[in-house]
Amino acid sequence: GESVGLHLPTLSVQEGDNSIINCAYSNSASDYFIWYKQESGKGPQFIIDIRSNMDKRQGQRVTVLLNKTVKHLSLQIAATQPGDSAVYFCAENPYGGATNKLIFGTGTLLAVQP
Amino acid sequence: EPEVTQTPSHQVTQMGQEVILRCVPISNHLYFYWYRQILGQKVEFLVSFYNNEISEKSEIFDDQFSVERPDGSNFTLKIRSTKLEDSAMYFCASSALMGTQYFGPGTRLLVL
Repeated sequence: GESVGLHLPTLSVQEGDNSIINCAYSNSASDYFIWYKQESGKGPQFIIDIRSNMDKRQGQRVTVLLNKTVKHLSLQIAATQPGDSAVYFCAENPYGGATNKLIFGTGTLLAVQP
Repeated sequence: EPEVTQTPSHQVTQMGQEVILRCVPISNHLYFYWYRQILGQKVEFLVSFYNNEISEKSEIFDDQFSVERPDGSNFTLKIRSTKLEDSAMYFCASSALMGTQYFGPGTRLLVL
C-alpha cells in the first residue's frame, strides 16, 4: 500500500551544525512532496516543497533533495538553531495531481543542543 | 501574512455528544481539508472539500462525520456521536487550487 516513512525517529544535533532529515516514499506516481515542521501543540508549518520534475530546491537555510530512483527525500537545515527543534514530517501527494490528499510520514524529532 | 484559524483550541465532550469544529481558511483559497492527529501518531487525511462538495474522503471519514461551508468564510467539521477513539488533534488546512496546503493551529478534542 501507500506509505511515507522516516528512517530516523529522533535526531540530535549541536547548534550551528547542519541537520539532515530523511524520508522514504513508496508510490512512484507521487509528484509533489512537502516538508512540514510541527512544534509542540501547534499545527504543521510549511517549510519547503518540491515537484518530481526537480531534484533539488533551496530555501532560506533549507534544502530539499529528491531522489526518484530510490524514492528518497531529504531535508537539509544549515546552521541549525534552537528554534529549529520540532518534529519534521514529509508528506506526499501520491496520485500524480489527481487528488490533493497528502500522506504524511511518521515524523522525525529534531533536538538542537545549545 | 494570512493564516488558517481554528476554534475552539480545546474541546472536551462526553461520548455520544455532537461536536462542531470550526475553521476559517485563508480567504482566497478554494480547497479545504480536515486532517487529524492522534497523540503520538502521524497526521491523517480525513476529507477534502472543493466547490461546496466533498472531493475526497478517507476510510476514517464515516457517516458520523460531515463537513460544511455555511458561509463565505467558515468551514466546519461535525462529529455527530463522538467516540473515545475520536480523541485527537483536528487540523484544518486550505490551499489555492492544487498548491501548498497551509494548516491551522488545530483543535484538541478529548472525548470522555
